[in-house]
Amino acid sequence: DADVTQTPRNRITKTGKRIMLECSQTKGHDRMYWYRQDPGLGLRLIYYSFDVKDINKGEISDGYSVSRQAQAKFSLSLESAIPNQTALYFCATSDSGRGVNTGELFFGEGSRLTVL
Amino acid sequence: GEDVEQSLFLSVREGDSSVINCTYTDSSSTYLYWYKQEPGAGLQLLTYIFSNMDMKQDQRLTVLLNKKDKHLSLRIADTQTGDSAIYFCAERGGGFKTIFGAGTRLFVKA
Repeated sequence: DADVTQTPRNRITKTGKRIMLECSQTKGHDRMYWYRQDPGLGLRLIYYSFDVKDINKGEISDGYSVSRQAQAKFSLSLESAIPNQTALYFCATSDSGRGVNTGELFFGEGSRLTVL
Repeated sequence: GEDVEQSLFLSVREGDSSVINCTYTDSSSTYLYWYKQEPGAGLQLLTYIFSNMDMKQDQRLTVLLNKKDKHLSLRIADTQTGDSAIYFCAERGGGFKTIFGAGTRLFVKA
């Protein structure tokens, strides 16, 4: 089983609909992130959370919200989806633990969202 | 703000060396990374280099870091068709966020 699991893997929806993408992890990491990937733009950070009570905006948070329901769960919501939110969305985790910490990110397999 | 730039495409013949280049702007970067994304999958860390190093070698991979010019490169020796993927350069700055480049799509011709 994957350590970082995203659901759904694919979703097609219509403009104005509310969408939730869910992420769960079994790695025991405290930090979780949502990125979106667009061709030619790479990965851009939407929101990140360093622990359950910590939520921070990334570089492109407008139109998105998140919820950190537990250490292992971090969901991304689009309250009213629009076509330019069509993208591949990735959840990632990292560990702030003691000792040498390279900051490596561990990614889920992605959720492809199409907004018509 | 922080920015990471890399070319979008590279095509090489099987058996040749591939060199993917990257420039970044954050002078406070602590770690610099190369991530690999295979089709239909998420990113996986390929290798990384700490900012006080100039070079790191790991089997067929060589990472070179020029801090003065803020330039990072990844060399893959004896490139194989299985190396075809998108390679992302990334840096971790003082804000503990990881900033990614746009990704270089490597095509390996048999």
